[in-house]
Amino acid sequence: QVQLQESGPGLVKPSETLSLTCTVSGGSLSDHYWSWIRQPPGKGLEWIGYIYHSGTTNYNPSLRSRVTISLDTSKNLFSLKVSSVNAADTAVYYCARGYCRGAGCQLYYFDPWGQGALVTVSS
Amino acid sequence: EIVMTQSPLSLSVTPGEPASISCRSSQSLVDSYGYNYLVWYLQKPGQSPQVLIYLGSNRASGVPDRFSGSGSGTDFTLKISRVEAEDVGVYYCMQALQAPITFGQGTRLEIQ
Repeated sequence: QVQLQESGPGLVKPSETLSLTCTVSGGSLSDHYWSWIRQPPGKGLEWIGYIYHSGTTNYNPSLRSRVTISLDTSKNLFSLKVSSVNAADTAVYYCARGYCRGAGCQLYYFDPWGQGALVTVSS
Repeated sequence: EIVMTQSPLSLSVTPGEPASISCRSSQSLVDSYGYNYLVWYLQKPGQSPQVLIYLGSNRASGVPDRFSGSGSGTDFTLKISRVEAEDVGVYYCMQALQAPITFGQGTRLEIQ
């Protein structure tokens, strides 16, 4: 059974770069989308972006200029970087596997999700 | 971007009674093959979201059959036939038809 685990610093200073990794166990990075989703404290869910196993990426336009998602198949993990962070980037960051269907591999749901990593932006 | 609107935002239900949550999208979620790219998640207190329903009406593996999803196009409903104590949490709908993937605001279900 595939499991995902986020890791990275829990505190980041304003204007610096937030970096998280998601380690995948019980399966490989092939044939799926690998995504990041965040949730500010007490608020709803915001999709950040995903990377396909081929390396193709897609980001939320609201964050596109500051976000990079990458794969490391040798270590079976994928990573998130968000540059120039501010207090509004404080959130629980989740990684998740995206299932796709059809000839065009259209993503249609996320499962499983990692347990989440709280990242606080503060000086 | 497709806007997802849920209602109600909170509900309080007696155990054993039914519950219903509505999700409306600003654009149709049907693809050219007739599939509705609408997902329902439940986020239990202190946990990450777990999938309940995908493609509008398909129950995910391990999800009790008291949960059902219906609807098409822009109007969708999640129904719980008989609410149990373990069903407390926040329910989210999500559209996956087009990027950016977007979520509803969430509906908090509590037990009376």
